[in-house]
Amino acid sequence: GQSLEQPSEVTAVEGAIVQINCTYQTSGFYGLSWYQQHDGGAPTFLSYNGLDGLEETGRFSSFLSRSDSYGYLLLQELQMKDSASYFCAVRDSNYQLIWGAGTKLIIKP
Amino acid sequence: EAQVTQNPRYLITVTGKKLTVTCSQNMNHEYMSWYRQDPGLGLRQIYYSMNVEVTDKGDVPEGYKVSRKEKRNFPLILESPSPNQTSLYFCASSRTGAPISYGYTFGSGTRLTVV
Repeated sequence: GQSLEQPSEVTAVEGAIVQINCTYQTSGFYGLSWYQQHDGGAPTFLSYNGLDGLEETGRFSSFLSRSDSYGYLLLQELQMKDSASYFCAVRDSNYQLIWGAGTKLIIKP
Repeated sequence: EAQVTQNPRYLITVTGKKLTVTCSQNMNHEYMSWYRQDPGLGLRQIYYSMNVEVTDKGDVPEGYKVSRKEKRNFPLILESPSPNQTSLYFCASSRTGAPISYGYTFGSGTRLTVV
């Protein structure tokens, strides 16, 4: 079957760095995306990795290793507003997105 | 403003009473999709549409219908809602047929309760 695994919850301190991992097992791979969702809100697109390596967008970076079927989202200089759930998603050979169950990021002052 | 508009935001209904959740986007996106979100289960795709008059089932299509008569609109229809369809629903659209590289734009969500 197809699956994406990510931790259900991660806790970090304001100002610190946190990494959210995602491992995937899908029929075909056409890129890994990350989305942020605040409680009660809609998911918003954060980043996309189609090739191996690191993509950086401000305080957020995303990494992909296709040989390891693994990626991560790195959040630096954590702010309280970063408290949210983060989802990884992979496009499979049927052209559809397969979603992880989400990681709830809890930030403590 | 570029956006996906869903209505209603909240809906409480009774079992068996047909309902429609509307979704409209103003970005001229070809690709549109419906998801439901339940605690601990992430986002599960109900139906999607690659373009006008082209729709296909997602992972959990049972009990739902969709139509795509116009590019901007993609309504979700529950012919006979049941309590297990109580959920948070999201409509999403994307600029091209390769949504992952450009990302989805999501609507604000519809919280549906079926009693």
